[in-house]
Amino acid sequence: AQSVTQLDSQVPVFEEAPVELRCNYSSSVSVYLFWYVQYPNQGLQLLLKYLSGSTLVKGINGFEAEFNKSQTSFHLRKPSVHISDTAEYFCAVSETGANNLFFGTGTRLTVIP
Amino acid sequence: NAGVTQTPKFQVLKTGQSMTLQCAQDMNHEYMSWYRQDPGMGLRLIHYSVGAGITDQGEVPNGYNVSRSTTEDFPLRLLSAAPSQTSVYFCASRIRASGGYTFGSGTRLTVV
Repeated sequence: AQSVTQLDSQVPVFEEAPVELRCNYSSSVSVYLFWYVQYPNQGLQLLLKYLSGSTLVKGINGFEAEFNKSQTSFHLRKPSVHISDTAEYFCAVSETGANNLFFGTGTRLTVIP
Repeated sequence: NAGVTQTPKFQVLKTGQSMTLQCAQDMNHEYMSWYRQDPGMGLRLIHYSVGAGITDQGEVPNGYNVSRSTTEDFPLRLLSAAPSQTSVYFCASRIRASGGYTFGSGTRLTVV
């Protein structure tokens, strides 16, 4: 069975500093990987996805993530955060071609002025 | 282009009542899903559909029913509401298994 672990429930970071949000997954087969962002009282919005090919994936709002198959990780990074990046971030995984998409428990990013 | 529309946005039910959460999408997506979001638990899949007439159970299906008579609509029915079903419910759709989901804005349900 698949599972997704987001290692940090809360990450405070100062404005303009870099940030990394960690995500590990467990699966014995090939997977699709996703990062979503949720702003307060809103639905989730897709940041980026990895399907195949290059392991470095660039998304919206300056975010990027790197797929590491040997470490079964898909960490999200941004070199310089803004106040507007304050939100909850969810990592999600599905087996290639499968219908289910499984989410992690989320990481709340708080950007401090 | 409205995307995924959920109604109502807020609802309070008494224990034992039934209701239907509505979800409609106008993107001609084949895949639709219902998730519930609870603090500290992320999103958990309730039911999903891969096309009209085809539905299946997710991780937490008990107490919920779905049907998919058209591509556009995917209602979620609570048969007999319980306080444990207090949650925020999200409907989402995607064009294929490799596509990212488009989420609705959610329904906040409280069962008293």
